[in-house]
Amino acid sequence: DAGVIQSPRHEVTEMGQEVTLRCKPISGHNSLFWYRQTMMRGLELLIYFNNNVPIDDSGMPEDRFSAKMPNASFSTLKIQPSEPRDSAVYFCASSLKPGGGYEQYFGPGTRLTVT
Amino acid sequence: AQKVTQAQTEISVVEKEDVTLDCVYETRDTTYYLFWYKQPPSGELVFLIRRNSFDEQNEISGRYSWNFQKSTSSFNFTITASQVVDSAVYFCALSFYNTDKLIFGTGTRLQVFP
Repeated sequence: DAGVIQSPRHEVTEMGQEVTLRCKPISGHNSLFWYRQTMMRGLELLIYFNNNVPIDDSGMPEDRFSAKMPNASFSTLKIQPSEPRDSAVYFCASSLKPGGGYEQYFGPGTRLTVT
Repeated sequence: AQKVTQAQTEISVVEKEDVTLDCVYETRDTTYYLFWYKQPPSGELVFLIRRNSFDEQNEISGRYSWNFQKSTSSFNFTITASQVVDSAVYFCALSFYNTDKLIFGTGTRLQVFP
């Protein structure tokens, strides 16, 4: 079975450019999460969706970040305009159902470098 | 406060040694869930185990075992006869029934040398 799929795996862009990260959750999973990992801040939850509805976006650093989930099998995280401090690994994860008792399965991550 | 503490930043062992990774959590909730994840050098996060607060039975899976003790708020992870492939960063995490959020510890980097 396919796990969580993320694209691209690596992205290098210049400051000010728009960046779009994509995620396909595991089929049948109803919750989707976006995380960011840096050396300084560790793993941070940016936003999560239940049944395609954003539930908590309190981790989104600022208005330059936005996320959408138009259907159960696709989500995007967009940064516009990008800044060097956005450089990080961005993970998408999915879990079977809403509720804290379900484990999250992570994608391979997108390594973003903003120059 | 709800928090996960992994006090060991980095551990180095030689192959075949046993190693225990500590995880201490804080919560006043009576219903909660604990997790361990592995992040190998390739970068992906791999789910290892989930335990709910009502199940204090220890668990063994091959060379891996987990010791959950509510009395000390700990959920420690032991690797028996460690191998080079066990080298990774290991994260302990906490969540609750009424939220999907995972509270991660800062991770323990395990290096197993041949």
